[in-house]
Amino acid sequence: SAVISQKPSRDICQRGTSLTIQCQVDSQVTMMFWYRQQPGQSLTLIATANQGSEATYESGFVIDKFPISRPNLTFSTLTVSNLSPEDSSIYLCSAVEDEAFFGQGTRLTVV
Amino acid sequence: AQSVAQPEDQVNVAEGNPLTVKCTYSVSGNPYLFWYVQYPNRGLQFLLKYITGDNLVKGSYGFEAEFNKSQTSFHLKKPSALVSDSALYFCAVRPSYSGAGSYQLTFGKGTKLSVIP
Repeated sequence: SAVISQKPSRDICQRGTSLTIQCQVDSQVTMMFWYRQQPGQSLTLIATANQGSEATYESGFVIDKFPISRPNLTFSTLTVSNLSPEDSSIYLCSAVEDEAFFGQGTRLTVV
Repeated sequence: AQSVAQPEDQVNVAEGNPLTVKCTYSVSGNPYLFWYVQYPNRGLQFLLKYITGDNLVKGSYGFEAEFNKSQTSFHLKKPSALVSDSALYFCAVRPSYSGAGSYQLTFGKGTKLSVIP
């Protein structure tokens, strides 16, 4: 099974700034995804991180707010831009082999 | 579109008793079904999956789940609950076909399991 290292594990950010979250997988994987988990809620898919091309975003999520990079088959970043308190959430990256494996998550608090 | 329902927000069970966490699903075609567990301040950990074959699937930490196609259910079970099983449990589904979007998981809202000593 893939092991995913996600960092930072948590951060407190000021309004209007940005936070970049990194996700490193210990093996090459075809599919990587980014999810958001709001307090007490389930996971919502933000986008599919496509290697070498633009990410595929789900309804309600846009590239200007959540730019994603995936330069190779083991690494991806998610940036949450122009932060507001509503962005306070847990962000998780996921890599899929037969089943999905998840990073430990990044708990973001915007003040 | 696919969906997952976990009808119980919380399940309380006494230590040593059997536990069940319910899940029903809706998906086009045959489903791939998964259970994940989330401990406080942690990411999701894979417990078990149903792809094909035997309807009773065994997974990590003594958990098992039964796939019931006629009832479109995939309930998580354990014969004897431990206090350390207390966590948030998520059921997830994705379609079995290949192609765009086929690897995307749809999650239920989660069920908080509390095992009482």
